[in-house]
Amino acid sequence: EAQVTQNPRYLITVTGKKLTVTCSQNMNHEYMSWYRQDPGLGLRQIYYSMNVEVTDKGDVPEGYKVSRKEKRNFPLILESPSPNQTSLYFCASSQTSYNEQFFGPGTRLTVL
Amino acid sequence: EDQVTQSPEALRLQEGESSSLNCSYTVSGLRGLFWYRQDPGKGPEFLFTLYSAGEEKEKERLKATLTKKESFLHITAPKPEDSATYLCAVDDYKLSFGAGTTVTVRA
Repeated sequence: EAQVTQNPRYLITVTGKKLTVTCSQNMNHEYMSWYRQDPGLGLRQIYYSMNVEVTDKGDVPEGYKVSRKEKRNFPLILESPSPNQTSLYFCASSQTSYNEQFFGPGTRLTVL
Repeated sequence: EDQVTQSPEALRLQEGESSSLNCSYTVSGLRGLFWYRQDPGKGPEFLFTLYSAGEEKEKERLKATLTKKESFLHITAPKPEDSATYLCAVDDYKLSFGAGTTVTVRA
């Protein structure tokens, strides 16, 4: 089954404790991206990757890091999480940047 | 600054009561406009892509249309299972999402 998986689905952590949210796709897609979704603000892009080893900032990259060492994986790293990073996070993939995106199930992160 | 505005924020319909959702945008060069459906606790699911003014696409009870400044998602004779948040996204070499319209269809 074609899908994007994310782990963990739910995470409660404390300020400053480094964490990683994994994302994996099995569709051989070139393009992957991370979004955060907050009430009233819609989906905002954090980082995107056009292909392996190529990543770039989206609209809200501050406080986040990513890496794309393999085509299928695109982890999101929060080196020192803060409460304002409490949000619902989605990973997505598509064949190119202008094709429809396939979204993962989401990761709900709470930073205390 | 590019902007994508969806209206209304929320829409409550009776089963069978047709209605339309609006997505207005201000971008410099549209490559494509996407509609997604999002159910509570899940990721958005792709519905349609529209590329040029005048284009229309249909899927079951949904029909999406596009003009130079806005897109409409028409829901014809909705059923309770059409209840969801509908998201619009505009691609002008940068993808921008609207905040969504939450549709509730009562039986």
